[in-house]
Amino acid sequence: QITLKESGPTLVKPTQTLTLTCTFSGFSLSTSGGAVGWIRQPPGKALDWLALIYWDDEIHYRPSLRSRLTIAKDTSKNQVVLTMTNMDPVDTATYYCAHRWRGFFDYWGQGTLVTVSS
Amino acid sequence: DIQMTQSPSSVSASVGDRVTITCRASQGISGTLGWYQQKPGKAPKLLIYAGTGLQSGVPSRFSGSGSGTDFTLTISSLQPEDFATYYCQQANSYPYTFGQGTKLEIK
Repeated sequence: QITLKESGPTLVKPTQTLTLTCTFSGFSLSTSGGAVGWIRQPPGKALDWLALIYWDDEIHYRPSLRSRLTIAKDTSKNQVVLTMTNMDPVDTATYYCAHRWRGFFDYWGQGTLVTVSS
Repeated sequence: DIQMTQSPSSVSASVGDRVTITCRASQGISGTLGWYQQKPGKAPKLLIYAGTGLQSGVPSRFSGSGSGTDFTLTISSLQPEDFATYYCQQANSYPYTFGQGTKLEIK
């Protein structure tokens, strides 16, 4: 059974760096084909895909946020970490990590609400 | 980026009704489209993958069709638990993109 769970701060100040950790089980990111993505959802708004990392370290970012995002994996801990620099109030959202399967996200974490405010 | 446009943005329907939601891509994406259901305060749930594939455990009243630029999600007979927001997502190319959502409300 695949599970994922996000962890990190619930409140960050403008200009700070956000670091979120996705801890997963039920699959391995050292196995061919494995991939984990990050998606966010501002309150009352639609889903936005942010980044994706594959088992072989292939990485993709949302182009408009590429300069601010870093995604990395720690296969020994079954974790994927997303960092986003220079946080702004418009980055307030629920951040989800999810398991990628055939291009789609079949298992999701519960999400973590991150508020950006001074 | 490939833009995904859903219609309608919201729809009111009754239990037992047949409902169709449309998703249009700004360029051809072959069959690389998924549909998700999201209930308030919950993570999205994958319903349909690759345009027409029914995800394991999803009731057969949900179906997907289409290819190229135009896709539909159909719920054949609405059940009370189906009232939620639905999103499409293209996986043809990066960046992956989602539609703006369709809120399905009880009439």
